Amino acid sequence: EIVLTQSPGTLSLSPGERATLSCRASQSVSSSYLAWYQQKPGQAPRLLIYGASSRATGIPDRFSGSGSGTDFTLTISRLEPEDFAVYYCQQYGSSSWTFGQGTKVEIK
Amino acid sequence: EVQLVESGGGLVQPGGSLRLSCAASGFTFSSYEMNWVRQAPGKGLEWVSYISSSGSTIYYADSVKGRFTISRDNAKNSLYLQMNSLRAEDTAVYYCAREIRQWLVPYYYYYMDVWGKGTTVTVSS
Repeated sequence: EIVLTQSPGTLSLSPGERATLSCRASQSVSSSYLAWYQQKPGQAPRLLIYGASSRATGIPDRFSGSGSGTDFTLTISRLEPEDFAVYYCQQYGSSSWTFGQGTKVEIK
Repeated sequence: EVQLVESGGGLVQPGGSLRLSCAASGFTFSSYEMNWVRQAPGKGLEWVSYISSSGSTIYYADSVKGRFTISRDNAKNSLYLQMNSLRAEDTAVYYCAREIRQWLVPYYYYYMDVWGKGTTVTVSS
């Protein structure tokens, strides 16, 4: 089973700053099966990025994804107040889905 | 509006059973693969089970294999999760999620694009 490790566990930033979140896989992952989700307290996850770099419908262009192989990145170019949340990467492989443990982006 | 609504959660004793339901609306349910994903209190997301659009292909996480059964009724636009032999570690919010398998030359893209709000399962004596 592929393990996804996200870093850092918590990112403390101010509105307007740039956020860079990492997702590292224990073995190579198909980019087309790599997605990112945002989750706010008490809410369901929300799809942000699929195919490692394609924004989902309605997602602002301050969110971008990149990477390939074992290293993937979610970047939020300028944090808005509504972006403070937990972010998860996810991959599909061997008839199962796995998630990273999440990165919390908190207000500094 | 595309919507998924889970129900059936509650408090159950260890060793007990519970059946979760997920009602779909606003899209052609029978055309989509579906999943159950859970989240223990204060923890991350854990995939539980997958079912193909026709119901002919099913996968489970090792943690629930042999105890949980996923099914669907396309005529009723509904997804189900039968949970037996429940354990304390099954305590979680359970989400149903629509899966997209999209062919965009030259690759297939897989992701979960619509999620329900979840239903809470608590396993405790």
